[in-house]
Amino acid sequence: NAGVTQTPKFQVLKTGQSMTLQCAQDMNHNSMYWYRQDPGMGLRLIYYSASEGTTDKGEVPNGYNVSRLNKREFSLRLESAAPSQTSVYFCASRFGTANQPQHFGDGTRLSIL
Amino acid sequence: EDQVTQSPEALRLQEGESSSLNCSYTVSGLRGLFWYRQDPGKGPEFLFTLYSAGEEKEKERLKATLTKKESFLHITAPKPEDSATYLCAVQAWAGGTSYGKLTFGQGTILTVHP
Repeated sequence: NAGVTQTPKFQVLKTGQSMTLQCAQDMNHNSMYWYRQDPGMGLRLIYYSASEGTTDKGEVPNGYNVSRLNKREFSLRLESAAPSQTSVYFCASRFGTANQPQHFGDGTRLSIL
Repeated sequence: EDQVTQSPEALRLQEGESSSLNCSYTVSGLRGLFWYRQDPGKGPEFLFTLYSAGEEKEKERLKATLTKKESFLHITAPKPEDSATYLCAVQAWAGGTSYGKLTFGQGTILTVHP
């Protein structure tokens, strides 16, 4: 019953450091998504991958890069972390057919000092 | 641009006191409206999908309804374990690479006191 697994669960970085957030799903889903959640802002889409081998920008992609490593794994990279990127990051996946819901991991809480 | 507004921002109920949460949306063409529950320190957990006006879905004490402009999440005789943040999201009809994208509201924080 793993579903969507995110690592690490918590991380503290200094401004300018780089980091990769990992996400893996075991539900054989085609589509995967990265969101950030900030107080008063709701969940905002950073990047998504509709299928293996494709990635596209979401609402707030600046400062991030992604890699769809294979069907199971979708990573999010911060090349040079900034305090404005302090947030809770959620990965989600979806089977891919019309109107199927997205299923979320439990998030990575990232603080940038 | 798709928009979702949830109200109220926070709702405090006594156990057994029924109420409703509102999700108003503006979307070019609604493909689906999704309700999620989020507990502190956890990711959103899927509850319902509604596809067209007039549709209703139920699960235990929760009932979701949909009109052309808004959705309601009705909570009947709530219990303390129903305390959580409830999120509403819409998926619009769009071609190209917008496949499966959701626009979320800010959520309603529900607290049920015993």
